[in-house]
Amino acid sequence: QKEVEQNSGPLSVPEGAIASLNCTYSDRGSQSFFWYRQYSGKSPELIMSIYSNGDKEDGRFTAQLNKASQYVSLLIRDSQPSDSATYLCAASRDFGNEKLTFGTGTRLTIIP
Amino acid sequence: DAGVIQSPRHEVTEMGQEVTLRCKPISGHNSLFWYRQTMMRGLELLIYFNNNVPIDDSGMPEDRFSAKMPNASFSTLKIQPSEPRDSAVYFCASSLQMGSPTDTQYFGPGTRLTVL
Repeated sequence: QKEVEQNSGPLSVPEGAIASLNCTYSDRGSQSFFWYRQYSGKSPELIMSIYSNGDKEDGRFTAQLNKASQYVSLLIRDSQPSDSATYLCAASRDFGNEKLTFGTGTRLTIIP
Repeated sequence: DAGVIQSPRHEVTEMGQEVTLRCKPISGHNSLFWYRQTMMRGLELLIYFNNNVPIDDSGMPEDRFSAKMPNASFSTLKIQPSEPRDSAVYFCASSLQMGSPTDTQYFGPGTRLTVL
């Protein structure tokens, strides 16, 4: 079992709809969680981080964390074609983001 | 400002050859990370440095892999001898301050390595 699990997709969502990306982790000692976006052929870029149970909103993005269920999610509202990418979930045992364990990513396609 | 710089961008080599990947972190960043990405295993942390000192190399797959950071502006990842299963995209990333929850790792463009 991988430490961080994601559905590989592809996940197809109509433009303007809400895209929901899910991630589970096995290490109960994980303290901080991150969502990275990776366009095809490009490098990952950080879009959200979350440390406490509950929701964290940043523009069209909302990260949700439930430590009891060991579950992290990312919601993208009003999805745009430019959101089409692979989304990587990562977890760390530290509150700093130095030693990250990544999932294999979910490929998201927004359909115009 | 220049981001993280990696070279070469693409490398094709034959099994048994030595491969050296290079990275220049963002100026002023104190932490540097080497990752490997494959379809099967995803993005894996190989090793990271803080202030040029290796902090954790537990992700280095085997003795064929070695990494150095002789100064704050340069790091290398060497594979000797290379094997076909080493084929992957290798990313270098840097961050300003290790351990800061508000810090961000900035990734370079990656080196796509193919070992024939």
